[in-house]
Amino acid sequence: DAGVIQSPRHEVTEMGQEVTLRCKPISGHDYLFWYRQTMMRGLELLIYFNNNVPIDDSGMPEDRFSAKMPNASFSTLKIQPSEPRDSAVYFCASSSRPGQNYGYTFGSGTRLTVV
Amino acid sequence: AQTVTQSQPEMSVQEAETVTLSCTYDTSESDYYLFWYKQPPSRQMILVIRQEAYKQQNATENRFSVNFQKAAKSFSLKISDSQLGDAAMYFCAYQFSGTYKYIFGTGTRLKVLA
Repeated sequence: DAGVIQSPRHEVTEMGQEVTLRCKPISGHDYLFWYRQTMMRGLELLIYFNNNVPIDDSGMPEDRFSAKMPNASFSTLKIQPSEPRDSAVYFCASSSRPGQNYGYTFGSGTRLTVV
Repeated sequence: AQTVTQSQPEMSVQEAETVTLSCTYDTSESDYYLFWYKQPPSRQMILVIRQEAYKQQNATENRFSVNFQKAAKSFSLKISDSQLGDAAMYFCAYQFSGTYKYIFGTGTRLKVLA
């Protein structure tokens, strides 16, 4: 398995533009997570899905952020409109087997810079 | 609310020596999981070791081991025979029982000196 695949690896965009980050989880993993990492706030959970259904989106900063998981092999995190304070590394992670402690497999992250 | 604290922003260790990274947490739950993740310069988070709170035995993975003190709410990571490739940020994480939701500590940057 190629692991969790995120694209793009780097994204630079202008303030006000729409940004879409993409994630392909490991096949067979029932859970998918979106985290954001910044120097100031560390790693924060934005949202997570179970069987393609959003379970907890309490970490989504505001209405400018939205996430979807149309099928078991694909998820997107969209920011519209983007702002400079959204600059961060965004990680996608997946996991499996509810009740068993397997930890997460992370993707390599997308570094987003909003100028 | 649950919190995870890593009080050492940075640590250094000589190659082949042993180093211990500290992590404390606060929770009212009795059943939970704890993890250490490594983030090298490549940025990808890599699972190092995990511990179930109901297990008294400390987890071990090759050169990595933990000292889990449930009553003290302490979960330290010991790296033996340190190697240059161990240089990275290390994050302690707490997983809520019944979910896969994590809370991460702020991280410890480990430098390995040749």
